[in-house]
Amino acid sequence: KQEVTQIPAALSVPEGENLVLNCSFTDSAIYNLQWFRQDPGKGLTSLLLIQSSQREQTSGRLNASLDKSSGRSTLYIAASQPGDSATYLCAVRKDDYKLSFGAGTTVTVRA
Amino acid sequence: EAGVAQSPRYKIIEKRQSVAFWCNPISGHATLYWYQQILGQGPKLLIQFQNNGVVDDSQLPKDRFSAERLKGVDSTLKIQPAKLEDSAVYLCATQVEGGPYEQYFGPGTRLTVT
Repeated sequence: KQEVTQIPAALSVPEGENLVLNCSFTDSAIYNLQWFRQDPGKGLTSLLLIQSSQREQTSGRLNASLDKSSGRSTLYIAASQPGDSATYLCAVRKDDYKLSFGAGTTVTVRA
Repeated sequence: EAGVAQSPRYKIIEKRQSVAFWCNPISGHATLYWYQQILGQGPKLLIQFQNNGVVDDSQLPKDRFSAERLKGVDSTLKIQPAKLEDSAVYLCATQVEGGPYEQYFGPGTRLTVT
């Protein structure tokens, strides 16, 4: 069974600092990996999707890397803003196409 | 393109009562998922539909939970009778056929069982 772990569970940084969020998974035989953002009381918004053959994916201030062999992904958010405050979830998709989620990292960016 | 719609957004019921949630997928999305997200945890898959057929319901507590997807479009998830531990956010997600199998989530229904 795929286990997905996100550390730390919570993170507080001053505005402007770069954010580094970690995700680890136990089974490296994945189809792809997806990072989501969840605001309080809201659903999940997809941020980045990395195919198993890719090493990284970028969108604006967001960059996600994938090291499949070591079972790790990292989400980098450059120059954080108060609007980046949310919970960030990592999810791994195996060849049955189902998602296994981590518990998330709750980020607070202080103005 | 309209997103995944869910209703109601919030529901408060007493234990042993019944409740139903509704999901309307993005047009053309054949695959539909229901997830349960308990506070502080990631979403957990309850059931997966492909069109109007069940693909996986192995984690659905079938003694109290039921789900259907009529005509391969809208879906309902029902809990009867509810327990305190069912308090959670219930998320619906849909997915288009073919890779990369990206899922699109609705806003969720927050259920509180008292």
